[in-house]
Amino acid sequence: GAGVSQSPSNKVTEKGKDVELRCDPISGHTALYWYRQSLGQGLEFLIYFQGNSAPDKSGLPSDRFSAERTGGSVSTLTIQRTQQEDSAVYLCASSLEGASIAQYFGPGTRLTVL
Amino acid sequence: QKEVEQDPGPLSVPEGAIVSLNCTYSNSAFQYFMWYRQYSRKGPELLMYTYSSGNKEDGRFTAQVDKSSKYISLFIRDSQPSDSATYLCAFGSNDYKLSFGAGTTVTVRA
Repeated sequence: GAGVSQSPSNKVTEKGKDVELRCDPISGHTALYWYRQSLGQGLEFLIYFQGNSAPDKSGLPSDRFSAERTGGSVSTLTIQRTQQEDSAVYLCASSLEGASIAQYFGPGTRLTVL
Repeated sequence: QKEVEQDPGPLSVPEGAIVSLNCTYSNSAFQYFMWYRQYSRKGPELLMYTYSSGNKEDGRFTAQVDKSSKYISLFIRDSQPSDSATYLCAFGSNDYKLSFGAGTTVTVRA
């Protein structure tokens, strides 16, 4: 079946611009996660959505970052006033149930801020 | 001290060799121990996971956990060029937040 999909695959933007990154989880998966992977660093947890519960935003690095999940499916990660240090690969994952270690990852969006 | 330490490599081995990868961790709350494989320009995929100390085998892959030393390993036997990838260790506790190592890049030469 279809896996997690993310768009765009690559995004180049200028410092100060806003960007939106999209994630389509596996159909039927209730939990959705966003991670950031910077060069030479491990994956960094950003935010977690589970069903209709309030999201866990504890990993978002600043108030320039926000995310929403509409209808319990598609999620959008928005970065406002992008900075060069935001350059990274943004990965989305989903799992059948919440609090699951069996997370299925999308291919990521490679963001470059000039 | 980082919560998870993983040697970034790179590691280059001839086809058929045994690949040995390892990570150390400092958080005693970690209960789940995982290895992910990530091909270039792709997302990580879960290779193996275990909850306990000891060895777990899956085909050519063996995961080893030593909780007393806070050390985990992944061994790949009879390595193939298709095993060339970045391998990430990951750890979980009683919630959904996984902690990842930085990854070790492995190249298997034909």
